[in-house]
Amino acid sequence: AQSVTQLGSHVSVSEGALVLLRCNYSSSVPPYLFWYVQYPNQGLQLLLKYTSAATLVKGINGFEAEFKKSETSFHLTKPSAHMSDAAEYFCAVSGGRGGGYQKVTFGTGTKLQVIP
Amino acid sequence: DTEVTQTPKHLVMGMTNKKSLKCEQHMGHRAMYWYKQKAKKPPELMFVYSYEKLSINESVPSRFSPECPNSSLLNLHLHALQPEDSALYLCASSQIDRRNQPQHFGDGTRLSIL
Repeated sequence: AQSVTQLGSHVSVSEGALVLLRCNYSSSVPPYLFWYVQYPNQGLQLLLKYTSAATLVKGINGFEAEFKKSETSFHLTKPSAHMSDAAEYFCAVSGGRGGGYQKVTFGTGTKLQVIP
Repeated sequence: DTEVTQTPKHLVMGMTNKKSLKCEQHMGHRAMYWYKQKAKKPPELMFVYSYEKLSINESVPSRFSPECPNSSLLNLHLHALQPEDSALYLCASSQIDRRNQPQHFGDGTRLSIL
């Protein structure tokens, strides 16, 4: 079984400030972790993924995340927030693959507000 | 541009209507998914197709009927929906047996039930 917990349903940052969105996971098998972003009235877009090749993962739009096994965390960061980063962010973990399909568990999401 | 295309983008229907949502992908993915997403919530899995066969039905009411005519297409047939079915319906696809690969999502269909 697997789960993810996102701390903070809303995060507000000033434009140019550091963005930190928190995600902690629980998994009975080595986890595969993802961060997705969702802009209003759109689907989910993959930001980055952790697949055990490297603990520091770089994604699109200047985002990166660090996998810390000892802390069971996969927090998302960006050094300098831009107005266009305002969106909903979901952390997700990929589970077992019975039947070939992928069972993904999403966190509850964090809405990022960027203040000019 | 998204690689998973959903039509229509918006749909308004009465409770007695019959309509269909369509999803298409050309990435060669053999797993396809329907999700329902309410406002301010994460997507909830409804159905999973694997090699064009229904693998998961997450206890979805029978007024939702999925169909996978071929490896590129996924439909969701709607009939006699309720107001609480108003939501964003997302389609996704992924590779088979590749847990380390992400699901690819379409932009969704915004469904409103009158």
